Amino acid sequence: DTGVSQDPRHKITKRGQNVTFRCDPISEHNRLYWYRQTLGQGPEFLTYFQNEAQLEKSRLLSDRFSAERPKGSFSTLEIQRTEQGDSAMYLCASSLARDRGQIAKNIQYFGAGTRLSVL
Amino acid sequence: RKEVEQDPGPFNVPEGATVAFNCTYSNSASQSFFWYRQDCRKEPKLLMSVYSSGNEDGRFTAQLNRASQYISLLIRDSKLSDSATYLCVVMDSSYKLIFGSGTRLLVRP
Repeated sequence: DTGVSQDPRHKITKRGQNVTFRCDPISEHNRLYWYRQTLGQGPEFLTYFQNEAQLEKSRLLSDRFSAERPKGSFSTLEIQRTEQGDSAMYLCASSLARDRGQIAKNIQYFGAGTRLSVL
Repeated sequence: RKEVEQDPGPFNVPEGATVAFNCTYSNSASQSFFWYRQDCRKEPKLLMSVYSSGNEDGRFTAQLNRASQYISLLIRDSKLSDSATYLCVVMDSSYKLIFGSGTRLLVRP
């Protein structure tokens, strides 16, 4: 499968525990994005990387959240001291960033997501 | 005010019907626009990009009105398999996607 891969697919944890999610993007894609989606809402941007550099973080990303993409390939998203409000679907997407004139090359492809439930 | 606004629906239509979804966006500097489809408990999948000239892909037609900051999606001859949530999406200057809350479509036999 050459699509975006996320692991685990589901995670149930107790409040206060730390959790880590992994995303493997499409192999030639240089941009990797994390989004969060709650029930009845569209995905909301959290952060993104171009290669190994984290270029932007949303204000939604509190100090308890950290993301890395150490070698410019896979990425991890860690949530420390989880709270019930962190329960959501965490989606990863990747794209091949090109000049704006090449819209097709900026299409983001999503993984199946990691569904987090904090009890 | 949300950056991308959509009617949440649900739109409940019979097979074969034509249905239209609308969406407005607030950032006039937005450059790229998309419709994504999301099935229940699945990831969003690109349905089509939206161009100023309008574009069609089979039964699906998308239109963009930059002056009114308005995007539309028309589905003709609805199929049961079209039942899903349709997300209106705007790409900002840093390439991140801004999603609407989605419009639910239910196609009944």
